[in-house]
Amino acid sequence: DAGVIQSPRHEVTEMGQEVTLRCKPISGHDYLFWYRQTMMRGLELLIYFNNNVPIDDSGMPEDRFSAKMPNASFSTLKIQPSEPRDSAVYFCASSPGPMGGYTFGSGTRLTVV
Amino acid sequence: DQQVKQNSPSLSVQEGRISILNCDYTNSMFDYFLWYKKYPAEGPTFLISISSIKDKNEDGRFTVFLNKSAKHLSLHIVPSQPGDSAVYFCAASGDSNYQLIWGAGTKLIIKP
Repeated sequence: DAGVIQSPRHEVTEMGQEVTLRCKPISGHDYLFWYRQTMMRGLELLIYFNNNVPIDDSGMPEDRFSAKMPNASFSTLKIQPSEPRDSAVYFCASSPGPMGGYTFGSGTRLTVV
Repeated sequence: DQQVKQNSPSLSVQEGRISILNCDYTNSMFDYFLWYKKYPAEGPTFLISISSIKDKNEDGRFTVFLNKSAKHLSLHIVPSQPGDSAVYFCAASGDSNYQLIWGAGTKLIIKP
């Protein structure tokens, strides 16, 4: 198993541009999570899905952020328009169930200039 | 308000000695706790977990202790190895909410 796959690994974009981060979870994992890591706030849960359905998006900071999971093998996190304060490492994770340990992807380092 | 606190940003331990990483929580409804390890440029990886019905869980060199009355848990690594150098995150869940609440992490440095 290749694990949780995220793309791109690094993204540098100008303020105001749209950014799309991608995630392929581990096959068979019913839960998918999007996290953001910053120096100031540590790891923050943005949103999570169960069986492709968004369950809790209370961590999404603003309407500029949106996430989709069109099928069990793919999810996107979109920021439109992006701002410098969105610069962070964004992690996707998947899990087979509610109490299992997550498997994280390697993250996408986003820099908005 | 931080519900899960790792008060030591970093910890330096001699190779072969015991590493003890601490974590405190404030929400008494938390009933499941996990430790993750993170290397630079990689995602966190699951290390060990403990349910609130237990006070100790052991996996090889790693042992997690839970003191519910003190709302405190600790991760012991014995003996510490250079490959253990990483950032360790404590996380908690419970109260019928699957959202994990994360600590800020502790950077462990194992000195040769």
